[in-house]
Amino acid sequence: DAKTTQPNSMESNEEEPVHLPCNHSTISGTDYIHWYRQLPSQGPEYVIHGLTSNVNNRMASLAIAEDRKSSTLILHRATLRDAAVYYCILRDGGGSEKLVFGKGTKLTVNP
Amino acid sequence: KAGVTQTPRYLIKTRGQQVTLSCSPISGHRSVSWYQQTPGQGLQFLFEYFSETQRNKGNFPGRFSGRQFSNSRSEMNVSTLELGDSALYLCASSLAPEQTANYGYTFGSGTRLTVV
Repeated sequence: DAKTTQPNSMESNEEEPVHLPCNHSTISGTDYIHWYRQLPSQGPEYVIHGLTSNVNNRMASLAIAEDRKSSTLILHRATLRDAAVYYCILRDGGGSEKLVFGKGTKLTVNP
Repeated sequence: KAGVTQTPRYLIKTRGQQVTLSCSPISGHRSVSWYQQTPGQGLQFLFEYFSETQRNKGNFPGRFSGRQFSNSRSEMNVSTLELGDSALYLCASSLAPEQTANYGYTFGSGTRLTVV
């Protein structure tokens, strides 16, 4: 399984944008980039995923570098409810269904 | 619409016993996966089922088993419980019609198993 590297923790202020980075230098051409987050005492929650192009949904935006070796999850206006552990995961497009979770980035949002 | 439902939410078992956990996926989802979460090892993949067939299995001993029924509901069983099996067990379902990474998973809130 291709590996991802994320900072252990990040801090943000409420109502400010947050950029969560993820490095995946060994990504293959068929790997999708997925992001999940886990709030305290809950199961992980799907946030967004993409292959090559930038993606937007109601929760966040995903910016993918042109060489696909890195990506950034963007929360446009952080709220206290966004405090969670964010996981960046690579999934082989034609292979296993499993998610391989790393340690993720713990995001703290200050009021 | 209803999310992924896991029962029970909490469970306390004695070492050596066996346990069965249940997962009801979102209606229409045929793919169901199970994960174990512990403070030391984080989230680890157990197994994945699609249309009653196990498609993938993680690196866990044979004491961990699962199955999926024709209505897509799934159960996982752990026999001969050990203290180290204490964990949050999470179930996730996906709408993916086939084996593809172009879909997300919806997770349940988990079953907290404590082995004493």
